[in-house]
Amino acid sequence: DAGVTQSPTHLIKTRGQQVTLRCSPKSGHDTVSWYQQALGQGPQFIFQYYEEEERQRGNFPDRFSGHQFPNYSSELNVNALLLGDSALYLCASSLGYNSPLHFGNGTRLTVT
Amino acid sequence: AQSVTQLDSQVPVFEEAPVELRCNYSSSVSVYLFWYVQYPNQGLQLLLKYLSGSTLVKGINGFEAEFNKSQTSFHLRKPSVHISDTAEYFCAVSEVGGTALIFGKGTTLSVSS
Repeated sequence: DAGVTQSPTHLIKTRGQQVTLRCSPKSGHDTVSWYQQALGQGPQFIFQYYEEEERQRGNFPDRFSGHQFPNYSSELNVNALLLGDSALYLCASSLGYNSPLHFGNGTRLTVT
Repeated sequence: AQSVTQLDSQVPVFEEAPVELRCNYSSSVSVYLFWYVQYPNQGLQLLLKYLSGSTLVKGINGFEAEFNKSQTSFHLRKPSVHISDTAEYFCAVSEVGGTALIFGKGTTLSVSS
């Protein structure tokens, strides 16, 4: 039973570029949440997708957008990258939007 | 809005000693409480959760936590730690019926022999 898988594992981008991160939820899960974890900090909630719609959003600018596909997989898009966007981006899935989260190993994004 | 404060950024301890990682939270509504562990270069793994009922919660790997509503705390304990418990530990809170987890900044547990 595959857990949450994220791709790519590492990514290096330049300021101003755009990036897309991908997440496949754990089998049987229908809800995907994205978190940003800066170095030495706890994860911060970006947004959550359920039934292909953004259900809740954290305090992140519109440069951060997402999508959920009919197979429940999800993408996180970040436009106009800033140096401060460098972080570990974690995807978490759950069955329904109010059940314990299962996290992937994350995508390490470095913006230079 | 909720917030979480993990009172110790680093906790060094010797193998087979007991350990307590402290977590306080702030919220104007009822909450669920969680502890997650993160090993190097990995995602977060759920150790235990408090949703309702008994205030003493037992989790995986011999960890337990006690919910104290009057002190708004949810401290994590283990009676005897192993080298393999070395990791980053995060306390998190969500409001009942809410969807987002609010995490503390983490506590680094370092177990040495």
